[in-house]
Amino acid sequence: EDQVTQSPEALRLQEGESSSLNCSYTVSGLRGLFWYRQDPGKGPEFLFTLYSAGEEKEKERLKATLTKKESFLHITAPKPEDSATYLCAVLGYNQGGKLIFGQGTELSVKP
Amino acid sequence: GAVVSQHPSRVICKSGTSVKIECRSLDFQATTMFWYRQFPKKSLMLMATSNEGSKATYEQGVEKDKFLINHASLTLSTLTVTSAHPEDSSFYICSAVPDRNTEAFFGQGTRLTVV
Repeated sequence: EDQVTQSPEALRLQEGESSSLNCSYTVSGLRGLFWYRQDPGKGPEFLFTLYSAGEEKEKERLKATLTKKESFLHITAPKPEDSATYLCAVLGYNQGGKLIFGQGTELSVKP
Repeated sequence: GAVVSQHPSRVICKSGTSVKIECRSLDFQATTMFWYRQFPKKSLMLMATSNEGSKATYEQGVEKDKFLINHASLTLSTLTVTSAHPEDSSFYICSAVPDRNTEAFFGQGTRLTVV
């Protein structure tokens, strides 16, 4: 069964304290792995797509990496405005375009 | 990235009435749109897949007669919550994909409150 698990569920950091969020997945044929950011009361905002193991993408303080079993979202020197819930989702060949989401990691960055 | 507009962002309705939520892809054509429901502090729960020109495909446990989905054009899908009850109060989010092999783009969500 296709599945996505994110850890930790919640993460509290001090401003400037770098860390990583984990997304472990099992899927029968990965088309793509996606990272989204969601602020309270808003829809998810697209961050990255990763297609194959070894691929990396960067955007400002965020870097996403991918292996055959998991993805990491690295946050370097975070700022309070990075506080949000980060969602990971996978798209498999047999899912008819449907994303399978993890439960999310709620990140809080304190000044 | 591509823009998906969802309207309204908030709606309050009386129990027993129906509410329509619109999802539009503004700068691309979407043959497929998805409707999700999200409970507080929970991840997105897929309700149905909306395909342009054909009937929606509902996930197990989702009442198709209660949550009517229409995908009349390549840029518009609507979700109608019929005979709404307080337990239908939730955050509803749509997404649209330009291509089934690519990332999905989400609307800003609709907070439905049934009183």
